[in-house]
Amino acid sequence: KNEVEQSPQNLTAQEGEFITINCSYSVGISALHWLQQHPGGGIVSLFMLSSGKKKHGRLIATINIQEKHSSLHITASHPRDSAVYICAVGSNTGNQFYFGTGTSLTVIP
Amino acid sequence: KAGVTQTPRYLIKTRGQQVTLSCSPISGHRSVSWYQQTPGQGLQFLFEYFSETQRNKGNFPGRFSGRQFSNSRSEMNVSTLELGDSALYLCASSLARGRTDTQYFGPGTRLTVL
Repeated sequence: KNEVEQSPQNLTAQEGEFITINCSYSVGISALHWLQQHPGGGIVSLFMLSSGKKKHGRLIATINIQEKHSSLHITASHPRDSAVYICAVGSNTGNQFYFGTGTSLTVIP
Repeated sequence: KAGVTQTPRYLIKTRGQQVTLSCSPISGHRSVSWYQQTPGQGLQFLFEYFSETQRNKGNFPGRFSGRQFSNSRSEMNVSTLELGDSALYLCASSLARGRTDTQYFGPGTRLTVL
């Protein structure tokens, strides 16, 4: 059983499209993290949130604690957004950190 | 500020050997977390150190261990290497505990076990 589920697994979009990646989790959490991993392995933390909504440039992350669901939106997608996006949660019991399997995004010019 | 550094970047070992990986966090960060990434299992949490103490541990056998020094630098050790230990090992540092703080990841150490 996966504590964190992401969808879709793969996503191809045309440049300029609005993109949504979804994350559902089954454990109680302290915080939810959205990470970006480019080819070659480097990981960057995009957002950490425990409630509501955060925005950074063209990226928006939302979380619904009651529904145990989060979404990552990319507005006006660009080829440089092509990467794997990973949802991770820090549980509030057992001090564990769980990861989704990632969403591979390809943005075509 | 310099980012998180990991050494070595690449490592090749044979089964049965042991390996030590090093992670230097961003200056001032007190938490260092370690993760394993494989194509089959994805990212998995190994353990977190905060103020020289292991604060939590993922579901890995005792062959995986670590420590943190007074300057927050951390090492991870894997003994009696198995083929399945081949992976990218990432460390991340944060000011506060990693579950509730933004983590800054290093470039990783790619370990190949032959």
